[in-house]
Amino acid sequence: KQEVTQIPAALSVPEGENLVLNCSFTDSAIYNLQWFRQDPGKGLTSLLLIQSSQREQTSGRLNASLDKSSGRSTLYIAASQPGDSATYLCAVRTGNQFYFGTGTSLTVIP
Amino acid sequence: EAQVTQNPRYLITVTGKKLTVTCSQNMNHEYMSWYRQDPGLGLRQIYYSMNVEVTDKGDVPEGYKVSRKEKRNFPLILESPSPNQTSLYFCASSFVGGTGGEQYFGPGTRLTVT
Repeated sequence: KQEVTQIPAALSVPEGENLVLNCSFTDSAIYNLQWFRQDPGKGLTSLLLIQSSQREQTSGRLNASLDKSSGRSTLYIAASQPGDSATYLCAVRTGNQFYFGTGTSLTVIP
Repeated sequence: EAQVTQNPRYLITVTGKKLTVTCSQNMNHEYMSWYRQDPGLGLRQIYYSMNVEVTDKGDVPEGYKVSRKEKRNFPLILESPSPNQTSLYFCASSFVGGTGGEQYFGPGTRLTVT
């Protein structure tokens, strides 16, 4: 069964810092990997989707990379802002199912 | 506006009283899914549907039922809710062609079973 891990579980950084969030998965036979943002008590907002054939995707200050063979993805956030404070989740599609990590809670300090 | 809607958003009920949480999407997605989110456990898939009349179990299907009679709707049924089903529930949908598209999530339903 696919296992998805996100490290660290929590991260606190000063505003303006660049940061990297990590996501690892045990089964490399994935169709895609998606990064989400979740604000407290709210739903999930999609940030980036990387298909299995892709190496990275970019959207604004966000860049996500995928190394399928090593079972890893990173989400790079440039020039962090207080509004980036949220929990970041990664999810992989394996077969017809989706598996989520437990998230990284990010706090950006003004 | 493209969206996934869920109702109700909040629900408090008692053990054993049957309930249904509705989910609807307006994006013509084939794939729909239900998740529960619990502290420390993350999101876990309950049931999913690849298309109309095609449903399958996820990782935590016990105590839940689903049906997919129309492409846009995917209700979650708890026939005899128990306190361990107290959780935050999310419905999601996506295209499944090729390696699949983005999952879009509903706003969530917070269920408390006493």
